[in-house]
Amino acid sequence: DQQVKQNSPSLSVQEGRISILNCDYTNSMFDYFLWYKKYPAEGPTFLISISSIKDKNEDGRFTVFLNKSAKHLSLHIVPSQPGDSAVYFCAASAEFFSSGSARQLTFGSGTQLTVLP
Amino acid sequence: NAGVTQTPKFRVLKTGQSMTLLCAQDMNHEYMYWYRQDPGMGLRLIHYSVGEGTTAKGEVPDGYNVSRLKKQNFLLGLESAAPSQTSVYFCASSHGGTGLLPLHFGNGTRLTVT
Repeated sequence: DQQVKQNSPSLSVQEGRISILNCDYTNSMFDYFLWYKKYPAEGPTFLISISSIKDKNEDGRFTVFLNKSAKHLSLHIVPSQPGDSAVYFCAASAEFFSSGSARQLTFGSGTQLTVLP
Repeated sequence: NAGVTQTPKFRVLKTGQSMTLLCAQDMNHEYMYWYRQDPGMGLRLIHYSVGEGTTAKGEVPDGYNVSRLKKQNFLLGLESAAPSQTSVYFCASSHGGTGLLPLHFGNGTRLTVT
């Protein structure tokens, strides 16, 4: 049973428009969320994160929104650029799942974003 | 500064063969991780290490062993490969293990077991 779900495997957006990637989670113990971006033949790279004490975090063109009551987070990219075309993974961690001194990250299955020129 | 380096990039094994995947990081990170990525699924944690000489099981550890003899290296071993282990394997490292610090990933090893 996936605790972090990205229900849209793919998304296409026109260059300059807004891209909205969604992520849902089931476990209310998750208190920290991250987005990673992955290009083909490369490893994921960290994009942006948000703590559960916030409902919004912004970094340049990227904004993450967290709705704790709905157990939902979204990543907004404005404006979208062709170089943003990649797979985006959301991930969540919780103190409850920590083992030893390392929290575990639970990843979603990813959303392929294609930005059309 | 190479970051996290994985070798090999590709490998094909026959069922029952063994192999070792090597991960090296030059960022002096304490924590290192091995993940696998399968179609339609997120990255799943196989094993991790919180420091030199330590290892711990993650979400899907069966069929794998790991060793962390040196701080900069984290080895993932498959003693008897099975087709279910066909996957893309990613190594990652982080400065701390709180889950609040981002992971730095290598570029992956694509393994096919026939």
